[in-house]
Amino acid sequence: ELKVEQNPLFLSMQEGKNYTIYCNYSTTSDRLYWYRQDPGKSLESLFVLLSNGAVKQEGRLMASLDTKARLSTLHITAAVHDLSATYFCAVDRAGNQFYFGTGTSLTVIP
Amino acid sequence: DGGITQSPKYLFRKEGQNVTLSCEQNLNHDAMYWYRQDPGQGLRLIYYSQIVNDFQKGDIAEGYSVSREKKESFPLTVTSAQKNPTAFYLCASSMMTAGDTEAFFGQGTRLTVV
Repeated sequence: ELKVEQNPLFLSMQEGKNYTIYCNYSTTSDRLYWYRQDPGKSLESLFVLLSNGAVKQEGRLMASLDTKARLSTLHITAAVHDLSATYFCAVDRAGNQFYFGTGTSLTVIP
Repeated sequence: DGGITQSPKYLFRKEGQNVTLSCEQNLNHDAMYWYRQDPGQGLRLIYYSQIVNDFQKGDIAEGYSVSREKKESFPLTVTSAQKNPTAFYLCASSMMTAGDTEAFFGQGTRLTVV
């Protein structure tokens, strides 16, 4: 069974600080995705990582993928309140089945 | 504009009643998916379809049924056999080509049993 685990599950951080969210998965996959969900809303795509060593950055968020370690990270730089949301990673198993992590609920405190 | 449309946004179901959630996409995507999200939790796969007239069970298919008669449409029926249907339901779609498999989501349907 494919497992996708994120940590931490809950993260409270002050504005201006840096932090990293981790996503571990249990089976071989070369594709990993990061999504953002605001309360009561749908999921918004943030990053698509398609190969080992892939790194993508958008604003204060940077995602990376290490397929050998089965690990992806989402790094937050100088957090601002607008980044408060729940962040999900997802792994694409063969056959285009997307399996999601449990999510990391991020709260940025002024 | 291209996208995925789910309807209704809110749905109330009486005990023992079947209800159908609509999902339509105009992105020309091959694959479509239904996920269930419970409060404070991640997404769990109910059903998915990679081609018209074919679909596969996900991890929590019991009590649900789907059809894929058209490429654009993938409705989900929550049957009376689903004992705890209150949840947020999300439909998604994606291409099937190598390297272009990002899933895009609809706005969701919040189902409540009354």
